[in-house]
Amino acid sequence: GAVVSQHPSWVICKSGTSVKIECRSLDFQATTMFWYRQFPKQSLMLMATSNEGSKATYEQGVEKDKFLINHASLTLSTLTVTSAHPEDSSFYICSVLKGGFVDEQYFGPGTRLTVT
Amino acid sequence: SQQGEEDPQALSIQEGENATMNCSYKTSINNLQWYRQNSGRGLVHLILIRSNEREKHSGRLRVTLDTSKKSSSLLITASRAADTASYFCATDGQTSGSRLTFGEGTQLTVNP
Repeated sequence: GAVVSQHPSWVICKSGTSVKIECRSLDFQATTMFWYRQFPKQSLMLMATSNEGSKATYEQGVEKDKFLINHASLTLSTLTVTSAHPEDSSFYICSVLKGGFVDEQYFGPGTRLTVT
Repeated sequence: SQQGEEDPQALSIQEGENATMNCSYKTSINNLQWYRQNSGRGLVHLILIRSNEREKHSGRLRVTLDTSKKSSSLLITASRAADTASYFCATDGQTSGSRLTFGEGTQLTVNP
């Protein structure tokens, strides 16, 4: 397996502010990480693929200027929700890909974002 | 965008009974995986079945795949209260690489 952490586990912020969420791969180096969003009682929606040392690849309909992704090292990817609005309130989950194998994708515990 | 649908959306059974969840998808896949998610937590990988496989077992889990019908089922035998969770299927295809597309999920409740 693999150990993936996210920080913070939950955050409450005011509308218009920016929030940064960290995803760390604790026991191996990951060139590829993924960011998902999950609304209550819904499934996970892939937002973007985070590639170490290069720009993230965003899924259709995801605003790259609103959801800034930085994968500056092989163990850390960050997602910054800029100018957050209440509709951005969601559960954000990252995953890391180990060795490029699809069945070796390990998920973080998630970050609950509430925008008031 | 989501391509997977799962049924039932919610399933409530008694401990010791079997639970069957189904997943359908729309495009050709390389692999289909099943994940479990406890409320408000991350995902735990359960099992992967490849497109050229029809059935796979892991402990109390049995997964089937019918590529002609673009569907899969997850059977949990002799369920336990601790199996209470949401279960999601996820697919990857030739054009998606390692990017996963998740189904809508089934909320399983096992009553003690």
